[in-house]
Amino acid sequence: GNSVTQMEGPVTLSEEAFLTINCTYTATGYPSLFWYVQYPGEGLQLLLKATKADDKGSNKGFEATYRKETTSFHLEKGSVQVSDSAVYFCALRSPGNQFYFGTGTSLTVIP
Amino acid sequence: SAVISQKPSRDICQRGTSLTIQCQVDSQVTMMFWYRQQPGQSLTLIATANQGSEATYESGFVIDKFPISRPNLTFSTLTVSNMSPEDSSIYLCSVEDSGRTEAFFGQGTRLTVV
Repeated sequence: GNSVTQMEGPVTLSEEAFLTINCTYTATGYPSLFWYVQYPGEGLQLLLKATKADDKGSNKGFEATYRKETTSFHLEKGSVQVSDSAVYFCALRSPGNQFYFGTGTSLTVIP
Repeated sequence: SAVISQKPSRDICQRGTSLTIQCQVDSQVTMMFWYRQQPGQSLTLIATANQGSEATYESGFVIDKFPISRPNLTFSTLTVSNMSPEDSSIYLCSVEDSGRTEAFFGQGTRLTVV
């Protein structure tokens, strides 16, 4: 079946630290992969996506590469800011078009 | 991207009552969905709202508990019926459009049942 596993939080980092949030997936076929971000009191916003193997999605300094050989889509940012504090969700969209979400990773960045 | 307005943003309800959540999109969209996000957990798909016909429910969700309407391509409602404290969650409206791989979300409705 299809599923997404992402690293548990919460994660607390100092400003300008390097961020990695791990995400691995199980899927039949060739899914599209996504990272969504949820700021406090808001809905989910698309952060970045990748639709095929070796694609790199990037936005706002965040990056993730679709690694088919390791079934991973780890989120990285070189220097986090306080404004990056949010919950991050890894997700896949199966060829049957349903979305599957990870459990979310809460990130807090302290000055 | 589609702009989605979801109302109410939060509510506190008495057990045994019902709450209707509205989702309005600023453009016509192909697909509309309703999700539940329980505290500390991931999103769970409740149902696909079909325009002009009955919604398609996922396993574990039934129409009597979560009736859904979608009268046109820009609007949908989800009702949480006969509520109990276990229904306390965030409920999210989501839309997808043909030719796009990503989904867009409303800001969510935070429901507390007391």
